[in-house]
Amino acid sequence: QKEVEQNSGPLSVPEGAIASLNCTYSDRVSQSFFWYRQYSGKSPELIMSIYSNGDKEDGRFTAQLNKASQYVSLLIRDSQPSDSATYLCAVNIFNAGNNRKLIWGLGTSLAVNP
Amino acid sequence: SQTIHQWPATLVQPVGSPLSLECTVEGTSNPNLYWYRQAAGRGLQLLFYSVGIGQISSEVPQNLSASRPQDRQFILSSKKLLLSDSGFYLCAWSPGNGFYEQYFGPGTRLTVT
Repeated sequence: QKEVEQNSGPLSVPEGAIASLNCTYSDRVSQSFFWYRQYSGKSPELIMSIYSNGDKEDGRFTAQLNKASQYVSLLIRDSQPSDSATYLCAVNIFNAGNNRKLIWGLGTSLAVNP
Repeated sequence: SQTIHQWPATLVQPVGSPLSLECTVEGTSNPNLYWYRQAAGRGLQLLFYSVGIGQISSEVPQNLSASRPQDRQFILSSKKLLLSDSGFYLCAWSPGNGFYEQYFGPGTRLTVT
């Protein structure tokens, strides 16, 4: 059973701090990794994708990937109250029919306190 | 740019009634399409996915079915709803061709009473 694991939280950080969200995955052949943000009652929104080892930065967001450790993280710098949401980690896998799916973590709830 | 539509936004249905949820995508061709369900406080559960017209793969045995009558249309159906079918139903699309990111529609919140 291929899995993606995240701490459920809640992770609470003060406004302006760095929020660090972590995700581990079990499928060694996964090649694509994604972070989604989901506000309460809304659908998930893609915020970062990463495909190779190292860091990828986009504005206040940095995704970090370590395939050897099967670990992907998301850093949010200068956290704002509007960042308060659930963050979902997703990893692609190939099934027996070579069709591509994403396996999802259960999400980490982030609360940024003013 | 690509847009994904879902309707209705909310739905309250009695147990045993039928269901039809529709999803359409604009601005792309031959997308991969997905139906997910998210129960309250739970993770995303993949229900069906489709790589082309008439091609449907089911992930979880249940009383739901899916169809893809047109390239950019994906329909989720049930003949008789159960209480356990309540949840947030999400349609998503991905470009395929080696790109795996998925983009979600606004969702349908279904309450079965």
